[in-house]
Amino acid sequence: DQQVKQNSPSLSVQEGRISILNCDYTNSMFDYFLWYKKYPAEGPTFLISISSIKDKNEDGRFTVFLNKSAKHLSLHIVPSQPGDSAVYFCAAKKTSGSRLTFGEGTQLTVNP
Amino acid sequence: DTEVTQTPKHLVMGMTNKKSLKCEQHMGHRAMYWYKQKAKKPPELMFVYSYEKLSINESVPSRFSPECPNSSLLNLHLHALQPEDSALYLCASSRLLGEKLFFGSGTQLSVL
Repeated sequence: DQQVKQNSPSLSVQEGRISILNCDYTNSMFDYFLWYKKYPAEGPTFLISISSIKDKNEDGRFTVFLNKSAKHLSLHIVPSQPGDSAVYFCAAKKTSGSRLTFGEGTQLTVNP
Repeated sequence: DTEVTQTPKHLVMGMTNKKSLKCEQHMGHRAMYWYKQKAKKPPELMFVYSYEKLSINESVPSRFSPECPNSSLLNLHLHALQPEDSALYLCASSRLLGEKLFFGSGTQLSVL
């Protein structure tokens, strides 16, 4: 049972445009969400997070939006840069828990 | 020092071999984790240590044996592995159990 789903295995955008990566979850107990970025041959790197008490969190070019009623979150990258090309993992957990459940990842390619 | 260091980066072993993966962090984190990641799949939690005590074992086969000799070190001892155990093994740490994870670059393991 895949509790965190990233339905787009890949996304390609032009440099300077917006990248939107989507994530859906099924477990209503999840109340804390994170995005990780992974380059080849490296471990995932934390990017941005959001608690369920908020619907938006922004950090520079990266903004995460949370729609609790739809059990959906998205990561917006504006403007996209070639260095953003990586696999992006959505992850979710209960605030009180230690288990992080990952989605299957979306390969983002930003073309110059 | 904000790094989680894993050695070796690559490991090839036969099914009768015994080997160990090592992970080290000097951020003062008190929780450490082992994850397994197959190609094009999300990381899957294997073990969690909190204050050097095993907190979570996700029903991992006994051919994988974790060890946390001190708060900075985490080992994963491997014995009699199967070819299907070939994967990227990721170590992570967090300040406290359940907080943001910092990942190492992983050990790419091939079992022949």
